[in-house]
Amino acid sequence: EAEVAQSPRYKITEKSQAVAFWCDPISGHATLYWYRQILGQGPELLVQFQDESVVDDSQLPKDRFSAERLKGVDSTLKIQPAELGDSAMYLCASSLGGGATQYFGPGTRLLVL
Amino acid sequence: QKEVEQNSGPLSVPEGAIASLNCTYSDRGSQSFFWYRQYSGKSPELIMSIYSNGDKEDGRFTAQLNKASQYVSLLIRDSQPSDSATYLCAPNSGYSTLTFGKGTMLLVSP
Repeated sequence: EAEVAQSPRYKITEKSQAVAFWCDPISGHATLYWYRQILGQGPELLVQFQDESVVDDSQLPKDRFSAERLKGVDSTLKIQPAELGDSAMYLCASSLGGGATQYFGPGTRLLVL
Repeated sequence: QKEVEQNSGPLSVPEGAIASLNCTYSDRGSQSFFWYRQYSGKSPELIMSIYSNGDKEDGRFTAQLNKASQYVSLLIRDSQPSDSATYLCAPNSGYSTLTFGKGTMLLVSP
């Protein structure tokens, strides 16, 4: 069964350091999403890609966060510099297209000290 | 601002009972609705989707949608301890992204 892959699964870093997360969507899925989930909350969209283009990054803190999907397949989310408030689960999801069912990867749990 | 409201719970039911999870949403443009289950420390997994008013059944799960009332629910029949998790409601307004509620924690006691 096809799955969304993410790495690393866990990341501990100190504030002001840079961190990067990687996501490989289900093969053939054109739409890729990055979400952030704070404990006790639902996932919140950070950025949505359609192929290699950004569709929605209105909630992405662009002063410190960046995301890319250069070849329209896998994607990287970067935080520089990390802040204590960035501690959360970072989830990647993919779908055949915008509005279609989204399937989530296992997530990356980030702890900023 | 699109809002999705769910009772955070916990909702406690005995094994074998019916669990009823409710969700209201503010965006009248929402066309499709998704229920995800999330175990502690894990990522969300899709349980059901529903697009039309009425009921949709899949095994022990039934989703109910009332667009006029902006209300969607999930019923779990014959609840099992393995159903203990947080259930996330997520409406989708066409091409736009999902808006998740905070989720309802369900606890099924043996």
